[in-house]
Amino acid sequence: GAVVSQHPSRVICKSGTSVKIECRSLDFQATTMFWYRQFPKKSLMLMATSNEGSKATYEQGVEKDKFLINHASLTLSTLTVTSAHPEDSSFYICSALREAGSGANVLTFGAGSRLTVL
Amino acid sequence: GDSVTQMEGPVTLSEEAFLTINCTYTATGYPSLFWYVQYPGEGLQLLLKATKADDKGSNKGFEATYRKETTSFHLEKGSVQVSDSAVYFCALTPRGGYNKLIFGAGTRLAVHP
Repeated sequence: GAVVSQHPSRVICKSGTSVKIECRSLDFQATTMFWYRQFPKKSLMLMATSNEGSKATYEQGVEKDKFLINHASLTLSTLTVTSAHPEDSSFYICSALREAGSGANVLTFGAGSRLTVL
Repeated sequence: GDSVTQMEGPVTLSEEAFLTINCTYTATGYPSLFWYVQYPGEGLQLLLKATKADDKGSNKGFEATYRKETTSFHLEKGSVQVSDSAVYFCALTPRGGYNKLIFGAGTRLAVHP
């Protein structure tokens, strides 16, 4: 089955530093991946759509320069939180789209990465 | 804009109890509706889905019916097990926007022996 791996699962960093989170599709190629952010007791909020070989599409209100997304290969998308601050502390989740043809696309989620900014 | 509202948790049940988790939505047109489940330490998994009114999605004993008249997609299971303990998310994709999932806040279910 389709497997998506996120790394790291937990990261703690100091305010002002940058943190990179990786999202890998392990057994399929994904031209499209998605990044979500989840606040405590809140729903997952779509941050951006990551497209292989092109710029990411950000949702309204998401700072492009703060949350850098790179999708350089068909199996890897990265989210870099630049100059992190405590308010960036959150649970970040990625998903990858496996296009199965005949309209049977499958969206597979990673287990998430918990970022804590001190 | 489109949104999903689901009942707050946690929901605590005894094994073999009946489960209902309410979900209502607001959307223009006819969205597709989903229930996802997240077990501890794992990624979200699609539990079931329905793509048009009156469709019933079902999987692993869970089911939900797409009710256009009440804009609802309530999740039900007749007899829960301890292994069903997880967080359940209701979600929709707008018509024509398959990939753009809009989630509810999630409902944590705890089932005790």
